[in-house]
Amino acid sequence: DIQMTQSPSSVSLSVGDRLTITCRASQAINNWLAWYQQKPGKGPKLLIYAATLLDSGVPSRFRGSGYGTEFTLTISSLQPEDFATYYCQQSHSFPRTFGQGTKVEIK
Amino acid sequence: EVQLLESGGGLVQPGGSLTLSCEASGFIFSSFAMSWVRQAPGKGLEWVSGISATGAATYYADSVKGRFTIARDNSRTTLSLQMSSLRVEDTAVYYCVREGDGHSPQWGQGTLGSDSS
Repeated sequence: DIQMTQSPSSVSLSVGDRLTITCRASQAINNWLAWYQQKPGKGPKLLIYAATLLDSGVPSRFRGSGYGTEFTLTISSLQPEDFATYYCQQSHSFPRTFGQGTKVEIK
Repeated sequence: EVQLLESGGGLVQPGGSLTLSCEASGFIFSSFAMSWVRQAPGKGLEWVSGISATGAATYYADSVKGRFTIARDNSRTTLSLQMSSLRVEDTAVYYCVREGDGHSPQWGQGTLGSDSS
């Protein structure tokens, strides 16, 4: 199985800060990676798929990068609505696997 | 517009059974692999099971292997998850997911699939 290691597990930042979350795959997954945002009581919202493609309606301050085993989600300037939990997920092979999540809190 | 509508969740005793369904519309169902993903209260996302576009191949997380069965009916554009020998730890919201397969993955709204609490 492919293990997805996400870091950090939590972070406290201010509005306007830059956020970078890293996701490492235990083996190469090409660009088969998605990023999700989840707010309390809500289902996951797709942000990025195929490692770099922004889903429809997602603001351009979100950016995905990486290939192979190392991936990054960057939010260039945090907005109040961005404080949430973020997950990466590989879809290279079954079983699909998620990172453990990154909780982004307001400092 | 892609729509995935889950149903069938409810309260069940440990050891019991439950079948979840997902009605799909707005895309060519038979062209996409599908999965079930769950989230237990206060926990992260856990992939549960997947099925190929034709239904010929099925996949399961170790935590549910031998207890859950995924199936699809391409003529009725429905996905199902038969859950048996349910445990307290199966209590979760279950999401029906259309795999990306080169497109953006799509998720349903989720259903409380098993509430053994």
